[in-house]
Amino acid sequence: DVKVTQSSRYLVKRTGEKVFLECVQDMDHENMFWYRQDPGLGLRLIYFSYDVKMKEKGDIPEGYSVSREKKERFSLILESASTNQTSMYLCASSRLAGGLGGELFFGEGSRLTVL
Amino acid sequence: GQNIDQPTEMTATEGAIVQINCTYQTSGFNGLFWYQQHAGEAPTFLSYNVLDGLEEKGRFSSFLSRSKGYSYLLLKELQMKDSASYLCAALDTGRRALTFGSGTRLQVQP
Repeated sequence: DVKVTQSSRYLVKRTGEKVFLECVQDMDHENMFWYRQDPGLGLRLIYFSYDVKMKEKGDIPEGYSVSREKKERFSLILESASTNQTSMYLCASSRLAGGLGGELFFGEGSRLTVL
Repeated sequence: GQNIDQPTEMTATEGAIVQINCTYQTSGFNGLFWYQQHAGEAPTFLSYNVLDGLEEKGRFSSFLSRSKGYSYLLLKELQMKDSASYLCAALDTGRRALTFGSGTRLQVQP
């Protein structure tokens, strides 16, 4: 079974702090994704990566950056956390970019609260 | 861009059948996915459709009409454990990542 592990289930940070959310997958998947999930808005794509050192902006990249130095690890960085970034962050990976192998495997999520 | 619509909430009775609808608008379509998400847990993959028609997988089936931009998830013989959110997601040919609807929260009552 694919396992996607997110480093922290719950974090509380202060406005202006730099925040790192780490994600590791163990199935050699090419593609990795960061989504945030908010009530009434569903999952919204922040950034994704289809190869090491490659990244593409999703629908809401403002205020975020990412790093993919190794195939198995995809990090989400909040350079200066703000209260509107309080959310559930979900990391996911997939073997392919589309088709039946394109289904996403999600981590357990990291609930971030910015005070 | 993409626009995906699904009802916010539905209620159904244990043992019954429920249909959760999803409509989508994409500039180029490359597949539709359904996920299940229990409260406090990660979403898990349920089904995938890229051609018109019905895909059956046990108690769950998913239907797609590409010409109408429409899909539904059909859950038969409902069980209490089916109480969850069901997320519809479409893949656009112009990008390599899924776009999700807001999800439908299904409550199964005894």
